[in-house]
Amino acid sequence: GAVVSQHPSRVICKSGTSVKIECRSLDFQATTMFWYRQFPKQSLMLMATSNEGSKATYEQGVEKDKFLINHASLTLSTLTVTSAHPEDSSFYICSARGTVNTGELFFGEGSRLTVL
Amino acid sequence: GENVEQHPSTLSVQEGDSAVIKCTYSDSASNYFPWYKQELGKRPQLIIDIRSNVGEKKDQRIAVTLNKTAKHFSLHITETQPEDSAVYFCAASMREYGNKLVFGAGTILRVKS
Repeated sequence: GAVVSQHPSRVICKSGTSVKIECRSLDFQATTMFWYRQFPKQSLMLMATSNEGSKATYEQGVEKDKFLINHASLTLSTLTVTSAHPEDSSFYICSARGTVNTGELFFGEGSRLTVL
Repeated sequence: GENVEQHPSTLSVQEGDSAVIKCTYSDSASNYFPWYKQELGKRPQLIIDIRSNVGEKKDQRIAVTLNKTAKHFSLHITETQPEDSAVYFCAASMREYGNKLVFGAGTILRVKS
């Protein structure tokens, strides 16, 4: 199956700083990637759809100026949490559809963000 | 938009017994229904999926059934083993919308040996 890699796996930062998370499709090109957020013991909540070469589409309630998404190439999407606060602490997971549209999404390893 | 509800939130079974998790969805246009298994701190892993033109699909100990009329689908795990213990998520999507998956709340499955 397709491989999606996410980095970093864990990050701790101070309140007010910005953090960038990278999501790469290693063996396929992904025109669309999805960013999810998962709080402890909760489900995966879609934050935004990242489209290569165009602006991301954000879900209702997600601040686009706080969660900056860039999808500059067919293999890389980045999520930047700007001016992070403790309530932004969460598990962020990206996913991508493979080149064959079977419907299946492939997930990255996830990035655990802790804001102090 | 799509809304997916999942029950139960927790499920404890004895090793060797069967486990059933149920989900309902709201949008009749949804046509793809995957099930994911997630272990603590790990990424979700696809365990089985079903499309709207199929009523049932089986893969060894795991099966999924879909009732389009009632808009619900279920995961069945037979002969459960301790390694089946994890959180299971159902999801629904419409392929035409770029496979944006909407997840259920999750079920914590504990298999007691």
